[in-house]
Amino acid sequence: GEDVEQSLFLSVREGDSSVINCTYTDSSSTYLYWYKQEPGAGLQLLTYIFSNMDMKQDQRLTVLLNKKDKHLSLRIADTQTGDSAIYFCAAVSGGYNKLIFGAGTRLAVHP
Amino acid sequence: GAVVSQHPSWVICKSGTSVKIECRSLDFQATTMFWYRQFPKQSLMLMATSNEGSKATYEQGVEKDKFLINHASLTLSTLTVTSAHPEDSSFYICSAMSLAGASGANVLTFGAGSRLTVL
Repeated sequence: GEDVEQSLFLSVREGDSSVINCTYTDSSSTYLYWYKQEPGAGLQLLTYIFSNMDMKQDQRLTVLLNKKDKHLSLRIADTQTGDSAIYFCAAVSGGYNKLIFGAGTRLAVHP
Repeated sequence: GAVVSQHPSWVICKSGTSVKIECRSLDFQATTMFWYRQFPKQSLMLMATSNEGSKATYEQGVEKDKFLINHASLTLSTLTVTSAHPEDSSFYICSAMSLAGASGANVLTFGAGSRLTVL
């Protein structure tokens, strides 16, 4: 089955860029997603990318996909304190539209 | 955009009682909903896939008699934790699949979660 891995913690200075990395194992995953979770809350969809794309940009967010290496990254430009949260990478598993999540990367933004 | 409502947000119950959590898609129909469980500072664990009008599909290791799922309509799925015990205390999150954007990508919209504490 699908396995999704991501680094657990990232600390950045306010105003800098943040890059969160993720790897997955199922090459047939058609869509890959980034979700954000703030403390005590559910998950908020940030962005997604279709597997035939290399890059997708949405305001401060840039997603890069290296399908050959099964590597996905999320870049947040001009990181703000409000970006502090846990970011989950997720991939579709088995073509059934159920998502398998990584462990989540906790992003801490400091002044 | 698509909205999923989950109720209750918080519930505290005594050991041995049953608790029902509701998950509603507010402005779209969802033939498939998913139930996740999240332990503190951990990722989401898929528990089951809820299918409208048919039995839920449970992930390996999840007790179907313990976690009863009913998906009686296109906008409502319920999770009942039966005979709850302290080890069932957790954050339960539901989600529903909807179409997003011009690309027609299937995206999961999540409810805000239900925190269950069993005393």
